[in-house]
Amino acid sequence: AQSVTQLGSHVSVSEGALVLLRCNYSSSVPPYLFWYVQYPNQGLQLLLKYTSAATLVKGINGFEAEFKKSETSFHLTKPSAHMSDAAEYFCAVSDPGNNRLAFGKGNQVVVIP
Amino acid sequence: DAGVTQSPTHLIKTRGQQVTLRCSPKSGHDTVSWYQQALGQGPQFIFQYYEEEERQRGNFPDRFSGHQFPNYSSELNVNALLLGDSALYLCASSSTGGSYNEQFFGPGTRLTVL
Repeated sequence: AQSVTQLGSHVSVSEGALVLLRCNYSSSVPPYLFWYVQYPNQGLQLLLKYTSAATLVKGINGFEAEFKKSETSFHLTKPSAHMSDAAEYFCAVSDPGNNRLAFGKGNQVVVIP
Repeated sequence: DAGVTQSPTHLIKTRGQQVTLRCSPKSGHDTVSWYQQALGQGPQFIFQYYEEEERQRGNFPDRFSGHQFPNYSSELNVNALLLGDSALYLCASSSTGGSYNEQFFGPGTRLTVL
């Protein structure tokens, strides 16, 4: 079964600073990996996805993530944080043959002016 | 395109009652999945419907049941509600011919059990 580990439930970052959210996965097969963002009182919005093509994936709002098989990681980064990036971020893994998502516990990002 | 819609947005029930939540998938999607998101947690997979049948199920008791209609819309039913069932319930839709298991989420239904 697939699983995801996200450490550090709350992450504080200064406006203009690097955003780095860590995600490590466990999967018995080459996985599909996703990052979702959730704003208060809203559903989940897909930021980006890895589906076995390019290992560096670019998403919306300036976010990108790199798949590293040797480290079983899929960390999310953004070079310069904006106030509008304050939200909760979830990493998720899926087995390509099994259309269900397993989510991590999430990272609540706070942007400090 | 209206995207995934869910109703109601909020619901308050008491222990022991039953509840039905509804979901309309994104246009062109034929698969509906339901997730439970407890406060401060990531979403947990409940089950998935395709061709009006439950195709996959997560680790949830039989009190949780569902249905999919010919127009692909879906219901989630929870019987004998417990306080621990209080959560945000998310519906996600996808297409069997679609891109890499990508799922589109609705805004959720916030269920409070008193």
